[in-house]
Amino acid sequence: GENVEQHPSTLSVQEGDSAVIKCTYSDSASNYFPWYKQELGKGPQLIIDIRSNVGEKKDQRIAVTLNKTAKHFSLHITETQPEDSAVYFCAALTGGFKTIFGAGTRLFVKA
Amino acid sequence: EADIYQTPRYLVIGTGKKITLECSQTMGHDKMYWYQQDPGMELHLIHYSYGVNSTEKGDLSSESTVSRIRTEHFPLTLESARPSHTSQYLCASSESSTGDQPQHFGDGTRLSIL
Repeated sequence: GENVEQHPSTLSVQEGDSAVIKCTYSDSASNYFPWYKQELGKGPQLIIDIRSNVGEKKDQRIAVTLNKTAKHFSLHITETQPEDSAVYFCAALTGGFKTIFGAGTRLFVKA
Repeated sequence: EADIYQTPRYLVIGTGKKITLECSQTMGHDKMYWYQQDPGMELHLIHYSYGVNSTEKGDLSSESTVSRIRTEHFPLTLESARPSHTSQYLCASSESSTGDQPQHFGDGTRLSIL
């Protein structure tokens, strides 16, 4: 069935460094790729998304890239801050209902 | 900003009790979802709804049931709670407009069955 693989499962970076989280999806018909951030005691919140007709999207320190040929998409966080510490989930949607989530990446930013 | 509310936030209750977890959204979204998640771990879809009077089972088998009598309300019920039901339950909703849309999540109910 459809799946989304997310790596790494845990990522530890020094404050100010960049963090990259990668996802690979299996369904070539997927056309929408959101990223969610989940802080302790909260539900996941959308931080950035990208659609299949775009290769890259940026919002301040956060960027997402998409390679449809390779079925890869990645989240890039630059100049990381302690408040970026959270669990991050990628997801892929195929027109309709189904959202397939990655297993999550726990990001630690050390001050 | 998303407006989706879950109550209670925390519930500790004995085995065999009937439990209803409440979820309400004020955004007029047709699609609603329930996920089971051990904190910070994978999200497992247990129920979803396309709209009023529509309910479907998700990927993860669950002994819970749901109802969708009103657009804004999507409660989840456990008829007889067991320790294996201990987990966090997240509710979400999304628009039905053309093109895929992100899900808006509540902050969850953390359930402990003794």
